Amino acid sequence: RKEVEQDPGPFNVPEGATVAFNCTYSNSASQSFFWYRQDCRKEPKLLMSVYSSGNEDGRFTAQLNRASQYISLLIRDSKLSDSATYLCVVNIFNAGKSTFGDGTTLTVKP
Amino acid sequence: EAQVTQNPRYLITVTGKKLTVTCSQNMNHEYMSWYRQDPGLGLRQIYYSMNVEVTDKGDVPEGYKVSRKEKRNFPLILESPSPNQTSLYFCASSLKGEPVQHFGDGTRLSIL
Repeated sequence: RKEVEQDPGPFNVPEGATVAFNCTYSNSASQSFFWYRQDCRKEPKLLMSVYSSGNEDGRFTAQLNRASQYISLLIRDSKLSDSATYLCVVNIFNAGKSTFGDGTTLTVKP
Repeated sequence: EAQVTQNPRYLITVTGKKLTVTCSQNMNHEYMSWYRQDPGLGLRQIYYSMNVEVTDKGDVPEGYKVSRKEKRNFPLILESPSPNQTSLYFCASSLKGEPVQHFGDGTRLSIL
């Protein structure tokens, strides 16, 4: 079993739709969690950190459920520019080791 | 400008010919990592370093070497490249205690 698992999709949604991605992790020592966005095999860029209390940044909401060991990303009012691959990342704090999920591909269509 | 710089960006070479991919960051970050990414897969960590002269294996270290003689540089060395090391490689750096990673633009390696 992979340490970090994501639904690979692809997710094809119309503009304006709400879409949710989930990610599960197996290492209970994991302490920090992130969503990164990657466009067309370019470098990944941080989308948002994920906090236990949940956090929101505009149309994006991230949630963490430590008991069930999963994190989620909700995108509301999808835009064409949201089309990308979304990578779930799990770190063991201050240990330098990062584990990435394989990514979920989102295509937003007009 | 704060950045992570990788060189070369593209390289086509042959099996067995030693190569080095350089990575340099100008943000005084303690942590640096190398990843490879293959089609349909996320990033897999090859090696990481938490400070000068401190390096550790990631998930896929076989066939690679690294060194961290200076804080800003973290070269990736392929002593005897093989075709299964054809991949897209990313270097990343982060501050100790702030695990958000800053990535270089990537290096596309093709080993024939």
